[in-house]
Amino acid sequence: NAGVTQTPKFRVLKTGQSMTLLCAQDMNHEYMYWYRQDPGMGLRLIHYSVGEGTTAKGEVPDGYNVSRLKKQNFLLGLESAAPSQTSVYFCASIGYVGEAFFGQGTRLTVV
Amino acid sequence: KQEVTQIPAALSVPEGENLVLNCSFTDSAIYNLQWFRQDPGKGLTSLLLIQSSQREQTSGRLNASLDKSSGRSTLYIAASQPGDSATYLCAVRQPGTYKYIFGTGTRLKVLA
Repeated sequence: NAGVTQTPKFRVLKTGQSMTLLCAQDMNHEYMYWYRQDPGMGLRLIHYSVGEGTTAKGEVPDGYNVSRLKKQNFLLGLESAAPSQTSVYFCASIGYVGEAFFGQGTRLTVV
Repeated sequence: KQEVTQIPAALSVPEGENLVLNCSFTDSAIYNLQWFRQDPGKGLTSLLLIQSSQREQTSGRLNASLDKSSGRSTLYIAASQPGDSATYLCAVRQPGTYKYIFGTGTRLKVLA
């Protein structure tokens, strides 16, 4: 039982480059989330999805796009990376009683 | 706007001590509250989930209580061990939303 898997685990980007972070869950959960975690700021919600084909903006959506084409996958895209997007990114899915399951994180550095 | 606060930001205790971590939230209308543990460089692991209708939840040496009227939750750790050293975060979800709002966490160090 893999739970929530994030790919890649580490990445270094140059300013202006693009990339996609992949989150996959094998628990058949409807709700999926992307957070970023920065020192002193805690976890902030970027985008979330309440089901296949749906997405919604969170607290800090600017500079990011998402897609949920398949129920088990939630993709986070950076079209033109900026140094301010240097962070640790976490994906989570929420179970039927509300318990959250998190991936191991993607550490992204934009230089 | 819901805000979640955790005090203290860091705590250091000797092994064997019973301890309490605090979580405060500004809007008492919550759907549930969850406590997490995060080890350095790792993701978050759910410890305890308390639904709005519940007062407490227990798992092993951990006990979490919820007082919605005062906007508080506490995580009680009995007989602390060095392996309990980690950052503990709480998060609340409000009714009618799918969003979890996180506190900034308490970094716990249990000294052997």
